[in-house]
Amino acid sequence: QVQLVQSGAEVKKPGASVKVSCKASGYIFTSYAMHWVRQAPGQRLEWMGWINAGNGYTKYSQKFQGRVTITRDTPATTAYMELSSLRSEDTAVYYCARGFRVGAISAVGYWGQGTLVTVSS
Amino acid sequence: QSALTQPPSASGSPGQSVTISCTGTSSDVGGYNYVSWYQQHPGKAPKLMIYEVSKRPSGVPDRFSGSKSGNTASLTVSGLQAEDEADYCCSSYARSNNLVFGGGTKLTVL
Repeated sequence: QVQLVQSGAEVKKPGASVKVSCKASGYIFTSYAMHWVRQAPGQRLEWMGWINAGNGYTKYSQKFQGRVTITRDTPATTAYMELSSLRSEDTAVYYCARGFRVGAISAVGYWGQGTLVTVSS
Repeated sequence: QSALTQPPSASGSPGQSVTISCTGTSSDVGGYNYVSWYQQHPGKAPKLMIYEVSKRPSGVPDRFSGSKSGNTASLTVSGLQAEDEADYCCSSYARSNNLVFGGGTKLTVL
């Protein structure tokens, strides 16, 4: 079965960077898009970007352009999201989420368990 | 990209139907048949309920249905049940390989 297992909670100081990992299993890693979505406490889901796990193409939300980097390690079937220049407003649960269908990016079918990133001085 | 617009709350009694709207623009909802809906219970990851406007993934009850007219998509939950109480969020493909989410609607079963 499809599983996305994320790395554990992080506490960072303002200005630092965080890198969250997402280990995928149960499907052909390179056939699906992987999105990153975050949710601040009590707030809406916010799309950050996605990566084509096959060819490495990335697309980032304008809001995060220049601060976010999404990468993947295909032998390790793991995707990564790094967010830099952290500020308190970046405190949120960060999810990796796989595209629902092969080659499609428009719907997210499987979600990781979420990683809480807390930014505090 | 701006978030899609959803009402903050909706409610209905058990057995009733409720419809939640999701309004975007011609650059997202209106321009593509790639609207999805997610259900999220507190403390849990979202669950895909509808994709490509009106298609249901395997295992999603047929009480959940989706539609679209112009720049507005809708999710209808028929025969409301207590377990349907959750947050519902729409998303849409947007121009140039972007994705955009709605603000979310809290559905209360009275």
